[in-house]
Amino acid sequence: EPEVTQTPSHQVTQMGQEVILRCVPISNHLYFYWYRQILGQKVEFLVSFYNNEISEKSEIFDDQFSVERPDGSNFTLKIRSTKLEDSAMYFCASSDNGRGLETQYFGPGTRLLVL
Amino acid sequence: AQSVTQLGSHVSVSEGALVLLRCNYSSSVPPYLFWYVQYPNQGLQLLLKYTSAATLVKGINGFEAEFKKSETSFHLTKPSAHMSDAAEYFCAVSVDSARQLTFGSGTQLTVLP
Repeated sequence: EPEVTQTPSHQVTQMGQEVILRCVPISNHLYFYWYRQILGQKVEFLVSFYNNEISEKSEIFDDQFSVERPDGSNFTLKIRSTKLEDSAMYFCASSDNGRGLETQYFGPGTRLLVL
Repeated sequence: AQSVTQLGSHVSVSEGALVLLRCNYSSSVPPYLFWYVQYPNQGLQLLLKYTSAATLVKGINGFEAEFKKSETSFHLTKPSAHMSDAAEYFCAVSVDSARQLTFGSGTQLTVLP
């Protein structure tokens, strides 16, 4: 069964460093998403991406964040200068289309720890 | 804007007992509602979803949920809990105008032998 994959599973970085989180969405999906979950808090939407551009983004997704689909399979989230409060589990998801009723399929997440 | 409230951050049931996980939503437009489950060290897996076709929705692993518009609820139930049901469960809402899921805070289900 097709699945969303994410690498790395864990990442530790120093405050101020850049990190890139990688995702491989399900191959025939067209919409891609990033969510995050700070420990003990809700899963929060960050950004959605379609046709090589951002469709929607939340208030969390400020200038420190960027997304890219560098090739036909990968979807990346970059944090330019990490802060302590960026420590969280980051989930990638993909869906066949962007309608509200469409199921989003989630990857296993990348746990980011900023020291 | 949409929101979801899950009552009870932790629920414990005995094996074989009824599972009831509560979810209430708020939305100014017709919502689509989802239940996801997260097992340890795994991603979010869809259990079931409501897309307005039927108010009683059956999902995987024997779970079901009923959409009650009058109560703005979408509670998740399973008649008989199994040890393998122990996980965290998330209720989420989306609408046609927004390609994003809004999640509740999750309910950790413990199944006691």
